[in-house]
Amino acid sequence: DGGITQSPKYLFRKEGQNVTLSCEQNLNHDAMYWYRQDPGQGLRLIYYSQIVNDFQKGDIAEGYSVSREKKESFPLTVTSAQKNPTAFYLCASIGIRSGANVLTFGAGSRLTVL
Amino acid sequence: GDSVTQMEGPVTLSEEAFLTINCTYTATGYPSLFWYVQYPGEGLQLLLKATKADDKGSNKGFEATYRKETTSFHLEKGSVQVSDSAVYFCTSTSGTYKYIFGTGTRLKVLA
Repeated sequence: DGGITQSPKYLFRKEGQNVTLSCEQNLNHDAMYWYRQDPGQGLRLIYYSQIVNDFQKGDIAEGYSVSREKKESFPLTVTSAQKNPTAFYLCASIGIRSGANVLTFGAGSRLTVL
Repeated sequence: GDSVTQMEGPVTLSEEAFLTINCTYTATGYPSLFWYVQYPGEGLQLLLKATKADDKGSNKGFEATYRKETTSFHLEKGSVQVSDSAVYFCTSTSGTYKYIFGTGTRLKVLA
């Protein structure tokens, strides 16, 4: 079955460490997104990418970095510059060329800073 | 800029009660509208969508009608079940690949 796989599901980080969250999709989707979810808040956009080797900052990009070297993969690095990284991170994708506009989400990764 | 406002939760209902979760939007054009559902510890799943005025999206007994005159997309279900307990997000997109999410409404259904 096609879908989006995020790993790890749970991750613990010490202060000052960088961590990378994986997002892989086998839907042949063009665009991929990273969102951050905090309790009681909606989803906030961190980065998005519409094509390989190109990505744009979202509303809360500071302290995060991404790459898009392959269509299937869009990893997110949470750097030590992110002051409050404890959150639930969601990856999503959409097929631009299909004309559909429905976001498909992964199951999420929960990051906790110790 | 574009925005989505949905009713604060949590909403607590008894099984078989009628559900309404209000959602209004602001947009410069004519956005597509969605309701997504999130079960504990999981990602979001599409519940229903509507792409133009007067469209009605429906799925699993849930319905929402795209009302251009009131800029609303309220979610309704005639008889909720315990399994409907989740967080519901109203979402819009104006076709620029940017999606606007409401803050989410937590629904708790009691047996």
